[in-house]
Formats: sequence, structure tokens, C-alpha cells
Amino acid sequence: DIQMTQSPSSLSASVGDRVTITCRASQSIDSFLNWYQQKPGKAPKLLIYAASYLESGVPSRFSGSGSGTDFTLTLSSLQPEDFATYSCQQTYRTPPTFGGGTKVEL
Amino acid sequence: QVQLVQSGAEVKKPGASVKVSCKASGYTFKSYGISWVRQAPGQGLEWMGWISTYNGNTNYAQKFQGRVTMTTDSSTSTAYMDLRSLSSDDTAVYYCARATNVDTALGPWGQGTLVTVSS
Repeated sequence: DIQMTQSPSSLSASVGDRVTITCRASQSIDSFLNWYQQKPGKAPKLLIYAASYLESGVPSRFSGSGSGTDFTLTLSSLQPEDFATYSCQQTYRTPPTFGGGTKVEL
Repeated sequence: QVQLVQSGAEVKKPGASVKVSCKASGYTFKSYGISWVRQAPGQGLEWMGWISTYNGNTNYAQKFQGRVTMTTDSSTSTAYMDLRSLSSDDTAVYYCARATNVDTALGPWGQGTLVTVSS
């Protein structure tokens, strides 16, 4: 299975900060990389698909980049509702696998 | 709006089976497949498998082969996930999510179903 490693596992930030989360795949996955946001007690929500495409309805302060093995999720200006856990997922090879998550805390 | 609504929480004894349902609305059910993902307490997300709502084809994670069965009922726009021979390691929140194919992004997701396995 392809291993997905996220860093950091958690970070502290303030409203208005620029935040960058990294996801690394154990082998090349082209651009088959998705990002999800999950709040406590809630289901994940798709933010970014195919590495850089913003899901409909997701604010433009979210962006994704990368290809091959290294990917980033960037929040340009952190808002109060953005404090959550973010997970990456590869869909290049079955089984699709997720990173361990990055918790963004105040 | 597109919505997936799952069945309620379950408590099962070790060795038992559980069947979780996922009722879809707001779109043409047979146009998108359904994936199942679980999350153990305090842990990350784990993909279990995918089913085509068009023809019933399935793709299960090897870890669950022989122990999981995914089915759909297009007359009620409902997908089901049946997991057998439960152990305490299966205690988790189980999610369904819409996915065109096994290699596409997941969204939207159901609200989750907590399955607790305890003697």
C-alpha cells in the first residue's frame, strides 16, 4: 500500500495566519491527491481534489499544489471556522490511503 | 441537496455482525458509487471498499476481504455495509461517501455510524 505522511501532526496558529500543511507519498502518485477537513464529531469534507482543484463551495483561501510525491495544502488567511483536522488521501492506487492528519489549533 | 444519511449507532458483541445503511438523496443514485471508510477512536481514516451502484461491482481493501460485504438497493437508493466476525479492533465510526469510482475523491459523506464492539 502507498504510505501517506503528513507534517506537522499538529500546529498552533492564530486567525489571519498563513498555514501550510505537507503531505508526502511513499511513491509517485501523479496528481491523485485529495484534501479533507474534519471537525470534531463530524464527517470529513472534501476541500481539494486532484491536488489543486477546489471543490465547489470551498472558500478560495484554501489551495493545493504539488505532484509526484510532495503536496501542500495552504490556508492563506486562517479563519475561526478553519480550526480542524486536515487529511490527505491518495487515489492513485488501490487501496486509497490517507495521511494521519494535521490538527490546526488555536 | 445531495445527502447521505446513515443508520444509528450499534453495540455488538465480539464475533457478531453489523450492517450499516446509507440512504442517498438529491441525485441519481446509480450515477455514483459509494465508498465506505472507518475511523477508530482518535485515529486516522481507513478505506474499506467501494461499490458500484450501477452494476454492484465491488472493490474491497484486502484487509477486509472475506469479512465485509457491500450491497445496494436502487429501489430505495440505499447502500449497505455488512461486517462480520467483529472484534474490539472494529470499534469505530463508519462513514459512507459518494465516489464516482474507486479512484475518485469522496464527497459528500454520511454523518457516520458509531459501532462499538464490547463483551
